[in-house]
Amino acid sequence: GEDVEQSLFLSVREGDSSVINCTYTDSSSTYLYWYKQEPGAGLQLLTYIFSNMDMKQDQRLTVLLNKKDKHLSLRIADTQTGDSAIYFCAEDSGGYQKVTFGIGTKLQVIP
Amino acid sequence: GAGVSQSPSNKVTEKGKDVELRCDPISGHTALYWYRQSLGQGLEFLIYFQGNSAPDKSGLPSDRFSAERTGGSVSTLTIQRTQQEDSAVYLCASSLVYGGESTDTQYFGPGTRLTVL
Repeated sequence: GEDVEQSLFLSVREGDSSVINCTYTDSSSTYLYWYKQEPGAGLQLLTYIFSNMDMKQDQRLTVLLNKKDKHLSLRIADTQTGDSAIYFCAEDSGGYQKVTFGIGTKLQVIP
Repeated sequence: GAGVSQSPSNKVTEKGKDVELRCDPISGHTALYWYRQSLGQGLEFLIYFQGNSAPDKSGLPSDRFSAERTGGSVSTLTIQRTQQEDSAVYLCASSLVYGGESTDTQYFGPGTRLTVL
């Protein structure tokens, strides 16, 4: 079945860049997503990328997609303490009905 | 406008009891999803409603789980005879589907944390 893998934890200093990585198995993925979950809150869509794109930039966020290696990354420039959260990588593997999520990467930003 | 809301935010129940979890999707969103997030695991798809079509129940883990969506809006997820392994955060999401051609953004609610003692 479909699988999405992420590292569990990342710690960075405020002002540095953060890079959160994700690998997936479904080569037929159409869209890949990054969600953010702050403590006590639901998931918030940060950004998504079409599978025919290599890169997407949105303000401090840069998404890189290596479709050959099935590798997705999220780079957060000038990381702030408010960026501390769990970041979920997700891919659609069954059309738009289902989305497979990774376990989430907890980002800790050190002041 | 208002986002997806879920109630209750927390539910503690005894093993063997039935629970009902409620989801209010964003107004006008025709698609509604239920997921659960167990501790240390990724999100697990449970069920999907789209308009008046028969729901996709392929993710429901057992026949103790059921869900309905009344009037194409509010949805209730029911877990009968709860077990300790049902303890998780149950997330609801909704999206606006355009003719099935595009993948529409799913907007998530805050979740209901279920604890089965």
